[in-house]
Formats: sequence, C-alpha cells, structure tokens
Amino acid sequence: AQSVTQPDIHITVSEGASLELRCNYSYGATPYLFWYVQSPGQGLQLLLKYFSGDTLVQGIKGFEAEFKRSQSSFNLRKPSVHWSDAAEYFCAVGGRGGGADGLTFGKGTHLIIQP
Amino acid sequence: GAVVSQHPSRVICKSGTSVKIECRSLDFQATTMFWYRQFPKQSLMLMATSNEGSKATYEQGVEKDKFLINHASLTLSTLTVTSAHPEDSSFYICSARTPLAGMGEQYFGPGTRLTVT
Repeated sequence: AQSVTQPDIHITVSEGASLELRCNYSYGATPYLFWYVQSPGQGLQLLLKYFSGDTLVQGIKGFEAEFKRSQSSFNLRKPSVHWSDAAEYFCAVGGRGGGADGLTFGKGTHLIIQP
Repeated sequence: GAVVSQHPSRVICKSGTSVKIECRSLDFQATTMFWYRQFPKQSLMLMATSNEGSKATYEQGVEKDKFLINHASLTLSTLTVTSAHPEDSSFYICSARTPLAGMGEQYFGPGTRLTVT
C-alpha cells in the first residue's frame, strides 16, 4: 500500500528566509507526486507535480520540489518565503492506474511565517 | 478553468437525519470524481471513487450504506450521509478529474463542513 510521511507537523520560518518541507513516500514503483497548499476557507491548490523526466520540478508561487528516488523523497523548497505563504501544505502520491486513482495524502505541515 | 464547487459550504444537522452534499465541475466534464474526508488538523482520507454512470468504489472501512455516492452526470456527484451521527462530523472534500488533465491530476472543491448535533 502506498503511504506518505510528512515528518514536520509545524514549521516556523522568518519572512524572507528559505523553506524546505519534507516528504517521504512509500510506493512499489515510481508514483505521481504532488504538493498541495490549503489555506483556511480555500480548496486545495496544486503547487507542483512530478510524473517523470527532470527530477527538479518548478511550481507556482516560486516553489520547487526535487524527486529523489534513492531517498523516496519529494521535498518542497522556496528560496524566500512571504507572509502569504502561511498555510497547510500536503504532499500526496497517486498511483499510475490511468489517472483513475485517488490520492494518498500525508498528514500535512503547518507553515507559520514570523515577521 | 477547472473549477470545482461544493454545496453547501457548511451544514448542521441533527443526529439521525440525512444530509446531501453536492460536488460540481463548473467548466469541464468530470469522468471521475473522488470524495475525501478530513478530520481536524489531519490529512485527507480517500473515501470513494465514482465514475459517471456507474457505482462508486469505496475504500476499505468506509460504509457504503452510510455514505451514498451518486455520479449521475459528468458535472455532478453527490454524497449523502445517511442517519448521521456526531462522529460523522468532519470536513468533506470532493475532487474531479478529466481525461484532458495531466495524468493523475485532480481539481479540488473548497470542502463542506458537516456538524452533526
């Protein structure tokens, strides 16, 4: 069975500082990997995704993530955070069942931005 | 594009009653819709997958007689929580996908907060 681990429940970062959110997955093959952001009252917004090819993927809002097969990781990074980045971040994995699979989510990381 | 709406956004119902939540894809046809449940401060758990015109596929541990899912058209799926109990109180989120989307990609609705008193 596939699973996703986000080891950090909360992370506090100063505005302007760099950010890395960790994500490890368990899956029998190369999965589809996603990072979503959830703000209060908002639906989940896709930040970026990895399907194949270049292991460093660029997303919206200045985020990027790197797929490392050897470490089963897909960490999310941003070089300089803004106060508006405060939100809940979810890493998710999807199977390759023709896109008909639901996603398996990690427990989420709550990002707090300090002024 | 690719907007998914849910109605209602919040609902309070009494224990023993049923409540229906709608999920609509506003600007695309959704061949597959998914229903997730999110407990406070926790992750989203997939409840079921529904394909238009066929029966939903439920995840292990999800009671199909309690959580009735209907995907009657390519733009609408409904989740009915029957004989609701306080432990059914949760945040329910739907998502939808279209074959035109990138592989595995889903578009999420804003969620429905259900409170059972």
